[in-house]
Amino acid sequence: GAVVSQHPSWVICKSGTSVKIECRSLDFQATTMFWYRQFPKQSLMLMATSNEGSKATYEQGVEKDKFLINHASLTLSTLTVTSAHPEDSSFYICSASGGSGHEQFFGPGTRLTVL
Amino acid sequence: AQSVTQLGSHVSVSEGALVLLRCNYSSSVPPYLFWYVQYPNQGLQLLLKYTSAATLVKGINGFEAEFKKSETSFHLTKPSAHMSDAAEYFCAVTNQAGTALIFGKGTTLSVSS
Repeated sequence: GAVVSQHPSWVICKSGTSVKIECRSLDFQATTMFWYRQFPKQSLMLMATSNEGSKATYEQGVEKDKFLINHASLTLSTLTVTSAHPEDSSFYICSASGGSGHEQFFGPGTRLTVL
Repeated sequence: AQSVTQLGSHVSVSEGALVLLRCNYSSSVPPYLFWYVQYPNQGLQLLLKYTSAATLVKGINGFEAEFKKSETSFHLTKPSAHMSDAAEYFCAVTNQAGTALIFGKGTTLSVSS
């Protein structure tokens, strides 16, 4: 089956620093990648959708200058949380779609803790 | 607009008992529907999906779901619960454009011995 990886799996950083999270599709070409945020005991909230080589489309209420998304290749998308603050602490999950249907394949998630 | 409602944020069953997790959807176009399972601190794993073919969909780990258009439902069932089924379950529907998923709030399944 299609495999999506995320790196790192967890990260702790100081307030004001930037953190980059990588999402890779390991065995297929991901024409579209999605970034979600999940708070404890809550559902996934879509942050943005990115297509390879295009600018990401952000959901309403998501600051695009704070959450920088790059989808430079068909196998890699990155999410950079700039000037992170404690309220940015969350579980970030990416998913990827190969475009051959509506199915998304999810990464294992990244736990971000901002001190 | 597309939306998903999962009835019951927490369901508890005994090992060996029937599992029933409820999902109702709202969609202005023929929907694609999904059930995902999430174990603690992990991503989502697809259990099954409905894409306008057979209305009874069989998935992994013994789960199945039935698409009922008249009831706008896509409930998830498993005849006999295992301890390993304890997890968070999410129902999802594609958005109107078919470009993204809209998730329900999730149902936590607890299985007791």
